[in-house]
Amino acid sequence: AQSVTQPDIHITVSEGASLELRCNYSYGATPYLFWYVQSPGQGLQLLLKYFSGDTLVQGIKGFEAEFKRSQSSFNLRKPSVHWSDAAEYFCAVGLNTNAGKSTFGDGTTLTVKP
Amino acid sequence: NAGVTQTPKFRVLKTGQSMTLLCAQDMNHEYMYWYRQDPGMGLRLIHYSVGEGTTAKGEVPDGYNVSRLKKQNFLLGLESAAPSQTSVYFCASSLRLSGANVLTFGAGSRLTVL
Repeated sequence: AQSVTQPDIHITVSEGASLELRCNYSYGATPYLFWYVQSPGQGLQLLLKYFSGDTLVQGIKGFEAEFKRSQSSFNLRKPSVHWSDAAEYFCAVGLNTNAGKSTFGDGTTLTVKP
Repeated sequence: NAGVTQTPKFRVLKTGQSMTLLCAQDMNHEYMYWYRQDPGMGLRLIHYSVGEGTTAKGEVPDGYNVSRLKKQNFLLGLESAAPSQTSVYFCASSLRLSGANVLTFGAGSRLTVL
């Protein structure tokens, strides 16, 4: 079965600093990859997705992610973090053989220091 | 567009009571899902539906039942609530049946079972 690992439970960065959130997946083929963001008290919102093609994908709110097949990773990055980016971030994996169901990582909580 | 709407947003139950969570989507999505979110455990799929009149079990289906009598609605029922079912429940819907499956989430329903 596929699995998704987000090694960092909690990350704190200063406003204006760069950010990288890690995501590793376990599956034999290339899955479809997603990053979602959840603001406090809200549902999850799609940040970006990777299906095929260019391994660097751009998303909303200035986020980007890079798919690295050799490392089975899909890390999320942002060059300069804003206080409004404080939220919980989820990496997810989807497979064609899985009736469209996605498997989610346990999430990384981002705190932004002023 | 309202997207995905969940009611109620908050509910407190006593052990053994029953209740139903309602999910409604206005995007004409074929597929709908119920997830539960617990601290440090990400999102786990309870049940899902690939169309009106059909439902299937997810990762953690025990203690829950679902129904999809209308395409736009997906109900999650607890027949005899237990404290272990204290959680935040998210409904989601999607257009595609494949791993390239972007989910649209509701804002969540927080359930406490005493």
